[in-house]
Amino acid sequence: DIQITQSPSSLSASVGDRVTITCQASQDISNSLNWYQLKPGVAPKLLLFAASKLHTGVPSRFSGSGSGTDFTFTISSLQPEDVATYYCQEYGDRDVLLTFGGGTRVEIK
Amino acid sequence: QVQLQESGPGLVKSSETLSLTCTVSGDSISNYFWSWIRQSPGKGLEWIAYIYASGMTHSNPSLESRLTMSIDTSENRFSLRLGSVTAADTAIYFCARLTVMSGNYFFDFWGRGTLVTVSS
Repeated sequence: DIQITQSPSSLSASVGDRVTITCQASQDISNSLNWYQLKPGVAPKLLLFAASKLHTGVPSRFSGSGSGTDFTFTISSLQPEDVATYYCQEYGDRDVLLTFGGGTRVEIK
Repeated sequence: QVQLQESGPGLVKSSETLSLTCTVSGDSISNYFWSWIRQSPGKGLEWIAYIYASGMTHSNPSLESRLTMSIDTSENRFSLRLGSVTAADTAIYFCARLTVMSGNYFFDFWGRGTLVTVSS
């Protein structure tokens, strides 16, 4: 099974800051990685799929990069509405086990 | 816009069966895969299983022996049954649409989630 290590587990940044989250897969998953935003009481949102493709309607301040085992998620300019927990999710396992990372809680300083 | 709504008991007794239904509106359930995902208190997300309109399913091996999924295309809804529950099954349960496109698998629409607590 593929393991996904996401870091950091939490971060605090100022409005306007650039925020970066990383996910590392235990084996090569090509670009088979998605990113989601979760807020309490709200339906989770897909932000990016295939490592770097922005989902419909997602603001361009969100971006993703990486391939193989190392992936990065970036918010170019943190906004108050971006307070949430972010998760990566891989689908590179040939058995399609759809594993999530541990999550990163993003807060405003 | 596709919308999903989870429903079912919020409290289940230990050793009994957890049953949840997800009702889909805004699109036909017949053309996609549909999934369940859960988030245990203070923990991350765990994919449970998915089902296609044909009834074909694929489950997380860690839960497979206790799982049953079903789909009702006439009512545009799908269901989850998880047997022999313990406190470890206490979680927020989400239903979601799983889109498979050009080899990419992603959950593009989700419900808000429903909290299920397993009591002793």
